[in-house]
Amino acid sequence: QVQLQESGPGLVQPSQTLSLTCTVSGGTINSGNYYWSWIRRPAGKGLEWIGRIYVTGSTDYSTSLKSRVTISLDTSKNTFSLNLSSVTAADTAVYYCARGGRYDSYMDVWGKGTTVTVSS
Amino acid sequence: DIVMTQSPDSLAVSLGERATINCKSSQSLLYRSNNKNYLAWYQQKPGQPPKLLIYWASTRESGVPDRFSGSGSGTDFTLTISSLQAEDVAVYYCQQHYFTPHSFGPGTSLEIK
Repeated sequence: QVQLQESGPGLVQPSQTLSLTCTVSGGTINSGNYYWSWIRRPAGKGLEWIGRIYVTGSTDYSTSLKSRVTISLDTSKNTFSLNLSSVTAADTAVYYCARGGRYDSYMDVWGKGTTVTVSS
Repeated sequence: DIVMTQSPDSLAVSLGERATINCKSSQSLLYRSNNKNYLAWYQQKPGQPPKLLIYWASTRESGVPDRFSGSGSGTDFTLTISSLQAEDVAVYYCQQHYFTPHSFGPGTSLEIK
């Protein structure tokens, strides 16, 4: 069965770029049946949808984060990545990657999450 | 963007009793071509990722106990837990998966009374 695993630095300096990678195992990111998404949960707050990417490279992003977010994929490594620029303390959160259906879009497989703290 | 709201913010229910969580969207989530509502419910326990419970407003994900049910259409939806178990303590989120960005509701925290 498909599993997702987030990886990346747990600490990022303010104004720098947060970079995370999600490794997909047990399935191929190339299948064409799914979107690959990023979601976060700041401490004490609710879930926030960040964006998603399809195998063609087509992306959709959160309106509030659109100017700072880039999601990309590497089919040779079966991974997809999140870059969030100009981070502040407000970007401190648990970051999740997830799989959503191409046509129905609900997210049925999630990574365990990785905590990113923005601090100097 | 579609705005999702949930009520109540928190809820305390006795074991074995019914728990009801409401979710409202600022636009209809009903896709008339297939008569499906693009609304999902997730359960998140402390230290765990969210878990999909319900999609298309009322379809239970495989393996989810049948005490969980979803209902509603258009802009108003409900998640019902028919007989609360101790393991159901969690935060519950609704999410619209119709229009991007796929916004979440703010969450409802469910605890045992």
